[in-house]
Amino acid sequence: EIVLTQSPATLSLSPGERATLSCRASQSIVTYLAWYQHKPGQAPRLLIYDASNRATGIPPRFSGSGSGTDFTLTISSLEPEDFAVYYCQQRSNWPLTFGGGTKVEIK
Amino acid sequence: EVQLLESGGGLVQPGGSLRLSCAASGFTYTTYAMNWVRQAPGKGLEWVSTISGFGGRTYYADSVKGRFTISRDNSKNTLYLQMNSLRAEDTAIYYCAREVQQELPTFGYWGQGTLVTVSS
Repeated sequence: EIVLTQSPATLSLSPGERATLSCRASQSIVTYLAWYQHKPGQAPRLLIYDASNRATGIPPRFSGSGSGTDFTLTISSLEPEDFAVYYCQQRSNWPLTFGGGTKVEIK
Repeated sequence: EVQLLESGGGLVQPGGSLRLSCAASGFTYTTYAMNWVRQAPGKGLEWVSTISGFGGRTYYADSVKGRFTISRDNSKNTLYLQMNSLRAEDTAIYYCAREVQQELPTFGYWGQGTLVTVSS
């Protein structure tokens, strides 16, 4: 099973600041990584798939990068609605796995 | 517009069974694999199971293998999850999710979820 480790666990930032979230895989997953945003009481939302492709309707302030074992989700300038938990997920091997999440909270 | 609507959650005793359903609309159902993903209270997301478009391939997390069965009725555009031998650790919100593109197991569309509580 491929283990995804997200860091940091919590990121405390102010609106307008840049957020950089990390996801590290236990073995190479090429670029088969997705990022999701999840808010309490809502369904998760796909942001990025295959490392760097924005999903439909996702604003350009969200960007993904990386390959192999190290990946990054960047939010260039945080909007109030961006404070949430973010998860990475790999599709390289079965079983599909998620990282433990990074909570982006208001400082 | 893609819509996914789960139902069937509720309170069940340990060792009991429950069947979840997910009614889909807004897309050609047989084109896409369908999935179940869950979130236990205070925990992160956990993939549970996937079924291919015509049901010929199924995949399960080790935590549910042998206890849960995923299926689909393509005539009704409906996905199912039969859950047997339920345990307290199966308590979670269960989401139905569609892959974002054909043959790309990434969860592009989600339902609102249904809560399953396993408790005596």
